Amino acid sequence: GAGVSQSPSNKVTEKGKDVELRCDPISGHTALYWYRQSLGQGLEFLIYFQGNSAPDKSGLPSDRFSAERTGGSVSTLTIQRTQQEDSAVYLCASSKDRSYGYTFGSGTRLTVV
Amino acid sequence: TQLLEQSPQFLSIQEGENLTVYCNSSSVFSSLQWYRQEPGEGPVLLVTVVTGGEVKKLKRLTFQFGDARKDSSLHITAAQPGDTGLYLCAGQEGGANNLFFGTGTRLTVIP
Repeated sequence: GAGVSQSPSNKVTEKGKDVELRCDPISGHTALYWYRQSLGQGLEFLIYFQGNSAPDKSGLPSDRFSAERTGGSVSTLTIQRTQQEDSAVYLCASSKDRSYGYTFGSGTRLTVV
Repeated sequence: TQLLEQSPQFLSIQEGENLTVYCNSSSVFSSLQWYRQEPGEGPVLLVTVVTGGEVKKLKRLTFQFGDARKDSSLHITAAQPGDTGLYLCAGQEGGANNLFFGTGTRLTVIP
């Protein structure tokens, strides 16, 4: 597509429920990133996918967080047993590879109540 | 954990004024990027600098990468209301998979 598409744009969930966030990267971009942006905070790296290689999960804050990328394209970030501190904007970005600039989606604003 | 500190954190100026935003780190980066983010949107790439001492100009915006590749600055000449937004620097260490983002500078240009 023309840009990075994320869905949903907003998600309100109850504490303890699981959520899935979706990212559609730009066609042909082999690198895909998930970041988290909390109010007043900078962007926090979560996970990186490059082609068919094993993902770099070093930024995931706990084992409640997981992500997959199917067919080298669409990615899903799953948060299990959500907590209030998970409330943030989750941003997905893609690039031609890790040396190039990122194109970000508009993000998913997650609110855990 | 890498730390990219930006200053000032907040900046409010009148249209037509000049301003400079700074991005500093103790780490050496192979490249450094600047992004601008508007409310409800993801950051948008403005520029990438890769060589120590490099200066790039984008219309009224001038970006500089420090000689030691640890710091960078963004200078805006004759600021306009359309320049309002959150400015983020982001550095990539050689071999790292991801960018480390700065703390951000929130700029407001008053008409």
